[in-house]
Amino acid sequence: NAGVMQNPRHLVRRRGQEARLRCSPMKGHSHVYWYRQLPEEGLKFMVYLQKENIIDESGMPKERFSAEFPKEGPSILRIQQVVRGDSAAYFCASSPRARGEKLFFGSGTQLSVL
Amino acid sequence: AQKITQTQPGMFVQEKEAVTLDCTYDTSDQSYGLFWYKQPSSGEMIFLIYQGSYDEQNATEGRYSLNFQKARKSANLVISASQLGDSAMYFCAMREWRSGTASKLTFGTGTRLQVTL
Repeated sequence: NAGVMQNPRHLVRRRGQEARLRCSPMKGHSHVYWYRQLPEEGLKFMVYLQKENIIDESGMPKERFSAEFPKEGPSILRIQQVVRGDSAAYFCASSPRARGEKLFFGSGTQLSVL
Repeated sequence: AQKITQTQPGMFVQEKEAVTLDCTYDTSDQSYGLFWYKQPSSGEMIFLIYQGSYDEQNATEGRYSLNFQKARKSANLVISASQLGDSAMYFCAMREWRSGTASKLTFGTGTRLQVTL
């Protein structure tokens, strides 16, 4: 039973380019969360999605960031026109149900913006 | 107000000794869960232990135990018999359940633990 899979592991973009981060939740999990971690800081919540629905996007910046979790395929976190301040580790977590005790985390995607 | 407060940015402990990492939380909900995660230098987030707000006994998982004091709103992590491999960042987190709906996991700022010989 594979864990939460995130790819790529490392992503380098130049300012103004687009970044696409992918997350495949554990099998049978329909709840996905995205978090961002800046260097030497804790994880900050970005967005919570269920299949085809955004449940809570209170942590998402209003511009340039979007997320989706389609019926088929992985969840995608998309950052348009990246800036240096977007450089961070982006973690995805999944759980099988809304009241699940534990979130299972992926290994993260390290985004570096040059 | 901070929902999760970890007041120790860094801690040192000698190998084989026990160490306590502090965590206090703030919530008005009756139903919530408290978590500890370990993040080694490789970056992944490793789940350690969970305590539900209605659990009467303190959670234990091997060398990890959670000292849950509900009235004080504290959920300290105790690591017994420290090992060199325990050197990592440790994050306390909380998940609140309002009206039967789960919310996001909210993290503290973390404590960096260094185990020495």
